[in-house]
Amino acid sequence: DTGVSQDPRHKITKRGQNVTFRCDPISEHNRLYWYRQTLGQGPEFLTYFQNEAQLEKSRLLSDRFSAERPKGSFSTLEIQRTEQGDSAMYLCASRPRTGRTEAFFGQGTRLTVV
Amino acid sequence: ILNVEQSPQSLHVQEGDSTNFTCSFPSSNFYALHWYRWETAKSPEALFVMTLNGDEKKKGRISATLNTKEGYSYLYIKGSQPEDSATYLCAFYGQNFVFGPGTRLSVLP
Repeated sequence: DTGVSQDPRHKITKRGQNVTFRCDPISEHNRLYWYRQTLGQGPEFLTYFQNEAQLEKSRLLSDRFSAERPKGSFSTLEIQRTEQGDSAMYLCASRPRTGRTEAFFGQGTRLTVV
Repeated sequence: ILNVEQSPQSLHVQEGDSTNFTCSFPSSNFYALHWYRWETAKSPEALFVMTLNGDEKKKGRISATLNTKEGYSYLYIKGSQPEDSATYLCAFYGQNFVFGPGTRLSVLP
C-alpha cells in the first residue's frame, strides 16, 4: 500500500455542475477524514467516517455536499451545483483503528470552479 | 468555536539559521497536538504527535515542545536547509482535528 490516494488531482468545472472526488485510504485504516483548504488558511474539517459510518459533519458542509464510504473502504465527496466559493483544495486523510496516531494525508484534489 | 493560531504567518531565513514557530490552542479538553509539514505539490506529512504536558520530541534537526496548561507548542528547526521550505501546520486534536493556518517557511540558499 502506497498511502492515501485521491482522484482526480485537479478538477476544473463550470459553476452549477456537479463534481465527485474519490479517496482511497490506507487499507487497514478505519478512520477517514475530509478537509477543505483555501489559500492562506489551514485545512478545515468537513466530515469524518469510522468504517462506513459518517460520525461527524461540519456546519461548513452545506446541503450541496455529500460524502459516502459505502463499504468502509474508499470514500467519495460530491458537490452539487458548484459555486465559485467551492474552489479549494480538498484533502482526505486516514488513521488507524485506535490510538493517538498521526493522520496520513493524500495529495488532495484541487477544485477550480469557473 | 475552537481556535488554533500559529505565528508567524510566514518566515524567510538564510540557510544555516535556526528558527522557531508557535502554535497556540485551547488548554481545555486537550487530547493531542500534531505538527505536519506540507511541501508544495505533496501531501501533508506528520512530524510529531504530542500528548503530554512537557513533551519534547526531536527528529533530526527539528524538535518540538508542548505546554498543555498554557496552550502552546513550539517547533524549532536548527540549521535550516532549503529542503526545509514548506508550510508547517499544527493541529489540535480534541474531538477532531482543528488546524492552525500554518507558518510558511522559506529557506534561502
